[in-house]
Amino acid sequence: KAGVTQTPRYLIKTRGQQVTLSCSPISGHRSVSWYQQTPGQGLQFLFEYFSETQRNKGNFPGRFSGRQFSNSRSEMNVSTLELGDSALYLCASSKLVRADTQYFGPGTRLTVL
Amino acid sequence: TQLLEQSPQFLSIQEGENLTVYCNSSSVFSSLQWYRQEPGEGPVLLVTVVTGGEVKKLKRLTFQFGDARKDSSLHITAAQPGDTGLYLCAGPNAGNMLTFGGGTRLMVKP
Repeated sequence: KAGVTQTPRYLIKTRGQQVTLSCSPISGHRSVSWYQQTPGQGLQFLFEYFSETQRNKGNFPGRFSGRQFSNSRSEMNVSTLELGDSALYLCASSKLVRADTQYFGPGTRLTVL
Repeated sequence: TQLLEQSPQFLSIQEGENLTVYCNSSSVFSSLQWYRQEPGEGPVLLVTVVTGGEVKKLKRLTFQFGDARKDSSLHITAAQPGDTGLYLCAGPNAGNMLTFGGGTRLMVKP
């Protein structure tokens, strides 16, 4: 069974731009969660989608948004990029809306210049 | 806020040595998970512990959940260079969102 895939793997943007990241979950998984990982803050939860609905949201500004499609694929958007948004963005999928048994993708490394 | 604190933050040891890393909280967790993350990859789930006092073994790795379900430990016997990576503990918070500890970065030198 194919794992979680994320595209692109690497991205370089400048301040003020916006970016869209994509995540394809494991086949049959309906829940997709997004996390931000930085050296200073570690892994922080952004949001979770299940059946095209946002079920949980972490403590991030409204510049961070997401959506899920009917095939469970998910996209995350960050508008008006700031230098501090540079991070590894990880997507994880699971069968149900649960906090355990999550399978992570390799991440998208975003660098904001 | 349910926080998880991991110690030590960094650990550099020689191949063959034993080590223990800790994950502590002042809050009770219904379960705790351990992940390993290698450079350029996402975290990979190693184990989930659910019952207080539970001990799980995965080859040379031994995981223990504290009796009060507030802490957990990971013990590695005879560490190998392939064990190098970032070890993360995580648990569901009150909102059922997964909260992660800061991680222990382990380097095993040949």
